[in-house]
Amino acid sequence: DGGITQSPKYLFRKEGQNVTLSCEQNLNHDAMYWYRQDPGQGLRLIYYSQIVNDFQKGDIAEGYSVSREKKESFPLTVTSAQKNPTAFYLCASSRQLAGGRYEQYFGPGTRLTVT
Amino acid sequence: QQPVQSPQAVILREGEDAVINCSSSKALYSVHWYRQKHGEAPVFLMILLKGGEQKGHEKISASFNEKKQQSSLYLTASQLSYSGTYFCGTCQTGANNLFFGTGTRLTVIP
Repeated sequence: DGGITQSPKYLFRKEGQNVTLSCEQNLNHDAMYWYRQDPGQGLRLIYYSQIVNDFQKGDIAEGYSVSREKKESFPLTVTSAQKNPTAFYLCASSRQLAGGRYEQYFGPGTRLTVT
Repeated sequence: QQPVQSPQAVILREGEDAVINCSSSKALYSVHWYRQKHGEAPVFLMILLKGGEQKGHEKISASFNEKKQQSSLYLTASQLSYSGTYFCGTCQTGANNLFFGTGTRLTVIP
């Protein structure tokens, strides 16, 4: 089955610790994205990557870091510098279609709680 | 750059219709619609490109008015399964990523 996997589904950490969220896709999509969602809020872009070994900051990149060493993988590290890390984190990937369109699909998400 | 969605919330009885609007102040190339159930990831519904096209997905359809930078999602004869939060994601001309609205919470009751 093709898809986007994120693990774990729930993650608990103590304040001051770095934590890495996993995102893997076997859809052969070039682009991958990380979003953050807070209760009752929309999706805010953290980082995105159009190709391997390249990524760009989104709207709320401070306190986060990413890497894109493989096409299939786009891990997100939430560092201790992120002031309010507790949130629902969504990974997405997209495929380019004819006519300049692209379709973006989301993984199941990781709910991170930092206390 | 974030699009504005309206209404913020709506409650329907089964079988009723609803319209959700999404507007942007930027020139848009495409609008993407998603539905998210509580605690789950957003599910892709449809994409609309500039050109005023309309798309349909079961009894859910949408339109995109590129002159007004607005898109509307139409839900007809609503079913209980339509409940969730609907998000529009807008892609600006020349951009490679989506900006999402804050969502419209739709509740369908028997």
